[in-house]
This record gives sequence, C-alpha cells and structure tokens, in this order.
Amino acid sequence: GAVVSQHPSWVICKSGTSVKIECRSLDFQATTMFWYRQFPKQSLMLMATSNEGSKATYEQGVEKDKFLINHASLTLSTLTVTSAHPEDSSFYICSASRDRDQPQHFGDGTRLSIL
Amino acid sequence: QKEVEQNSGPLSVPEGAIASLNCTYSDRGSQSFFWYRQYSGKSPELIMSIYSNGDKEDGRFTAQLNKASQYVSLLIRDSQPSDSATYLCAVKLGGNEKLTFGTGTRLTIIP
Repeated sequence: GAVVSQHPSWVICKSGTSVKIECRSLDFQATTMFWYRQFPKQSLMLMATSNEGSKATYEQGVEKDKFLINHASLTLSTLTVTSAHPEDSSFYICSASRDRDQPQHFGDGTRLSIL
Repeated sequence: QKEVEQNSGPLSVPEGAIASLNCTYSDRGSQSFFWYRQYSGKSPELIMSIYSNGDKEDGRFTAQLNKASQYVSLLIRDSQPSDSATYLCAVKLGGNEKLTFGTGTRLTIIP
C-alpha cells in the first residue's frame, strides 16, 4: 500500500491564488521529505528538500518566497505556491524515505492548473 | 556530461520478450541505485533498488549493477503490455539523501 500520501490530487484556481499541497508519511517518521515538479514530457526536477524543524533547502533557481515549505512534524510537509500564475501550472510530487539508505517513495502527485 | 544518462527511447519490445534498460552515472561516489516506473500522468513507483555489484532479481525484474563500469541496468522478462511506461534510473550519492534522476526511457510493449 501507499506509504506517502499527497493531497489534493487536482487543483484548478485563478491566477493570484495561493495553493497549499500536503505530503504525509503514513507509517513512518520522515525527518526529510522532497518536493519535485514535472512539466509535460520532461523529467522530475527537484525543487527543495524539506527538513523537519528547520528551513527547507532549495535547489538553484527555485524561488523560496514563491514556494513556501513547512515541515512542522515528522509526518507532514506542506508546499504552498504563493500568488500562483499560469506558468506555475505543473505536476507537483513529494517523496519521503524511511531512512537515509532507503529508497524514496512518492506521493500520487498534485496536478496544478492556474487559469 | 550528465550525472545520470539514459537512452530516452522510445524502446519497443514485443510482448513476451526481454526488455533491457540501461543507465550510466558519472559520480564514482554513488552508492545506491534505483529504478522507478512512471505511467503517463502518474507519479513514479519504485521497481527495484540495488546497492552492491551483481544481479538482484524480483519476479520478472532483474537489476544489474557494475560499479567499475558505472553502469546499472534493468531487465524485464516476459514483457507485458502493462509494462509500457517510462522507466527512470535514479542514483544516490553516499551521505546524500537527494536522488539524481536520468531523463527516463520510454518503453512500449507491442502485443
């Protein structure tokens, strides 16, 4: 069964809206979670590493003020896309692993469409 | 040179045949290797993980790792139409939790 849960699956909203996406580890504690973005027919792009109890680590070129990450507990990380615009429309996916040496398991992803 | 390289395909294989997917990586410090399957419009799903040289088998899937050649492969025996997907090779450096992905190989199984 799924070990990482992600909600919502789909979001359609107007330009300028802020959107929050949740990622939960279901049966383990995850001190680290990861957020990816994938555009159509392209590979996964790591956006940031979410660290429980501390600031997220963003990849080069990812705006930290645009994509707010909160990892307030060992089972929950949230990604908020602030003031979303059509160019932010994409497939957002989170992942987590049971420990550093274990593989990452992915949530089902959130398809975000900004009108 | 890309950190993780895969042939983008498409790779077409007849049903029942063996599909062979290949991946090379550039960092000799890489210690963990993973194959993920991604259906169109879905998130990646873990197929295999391999950490030491040699072969690892799980059902119809076999992962092969050769650290000296910096090469990892995935074999799919008795290919089924449901195996049609994009296969992502991912590598983790020692001491680093981040995964580095290849661009993926699109596999099509022809009935």
